[in-house]
Amino acid sequence: SQKIEQNSEALNIQEGKTATLTCNYTNYSPAYLQWYRQDPGRGPVFLLLIRENEKEKRKERLKVTFDTTLKQSLFHITASQPADSATYLCALDRGTGGFKTIFGAGTRLFVKA
Amino acid sequence: DVKVTQSSRYLVKRTGEKVFLECVQDMDHENMFWYRQDPGLGLRLIYFSYDVKMKEKGDIPEGYSVSREKKERFSLILESASTNQTSMYLCASTRTSVVTDTQYFGPGTRLTVL
Repeated sequence: SQKIEQNSEALNIQEGKTATLTCNYTNYSPAYLQWYRQDPGRGPVFLLLIRENEKEKRKERLKVTFDTTLKQSLFHITASQPADSATYLCALDRGTGGFKTIFGAGTRLFVKA
Repeated sequence: DVKVTQSSRYLVKRTGEKVFLECVQDMDHENMFWYRQDPGLGLRLIYFSYDVKMKEKGDIPEGYSVSREKKERFSLILESASTNQTSMYLCASTRTSVVTDTQYFGPGTRLTVL
């Protein structure tokens, strides 16, 4: 069955550095991948979507890559700020058509001032 | 702005009680979803609805049912709550059934079953 893996360990970085989060998947080939941000006690908020035929997508300080050979997406936050501290979830379509998505468990990011 | 609201932020119930979780979206979205979120497991889909009175099981429907009598409202029902249903419940909606459509989430209901 489809499986998504995100690093369960929290990522701690210094303000101003680039944070890089990883999303790996196995056993299927999704057509697209999304990244969401979730703050404690809140629902996830959509950030970016990247399609299988796109290698890279950018939005302000955010950059997402999608490597269908490695079955991996990298999510980068450049010039990170303490306000970027949150949990980041990746989500993929199920590869069977339809509009349901599968979510990873998320990686918690802490940015220290 | 799309707004998805959930009836309660925190809820405490006893084992065996019938529990209703309500979700309302104000943007005429076609599809609505119920997830539960547990540490280390991510969001798991319980049920979704693609139209009024239409529903489909997700990955973990056992012990749950849903109701969608009006387009804007999607209810999750725990017929007889059990302690293993203690979790964060998140409702979401999408405007269309296009596969790349963004999901808009509510703030979540943290349910504790004693």
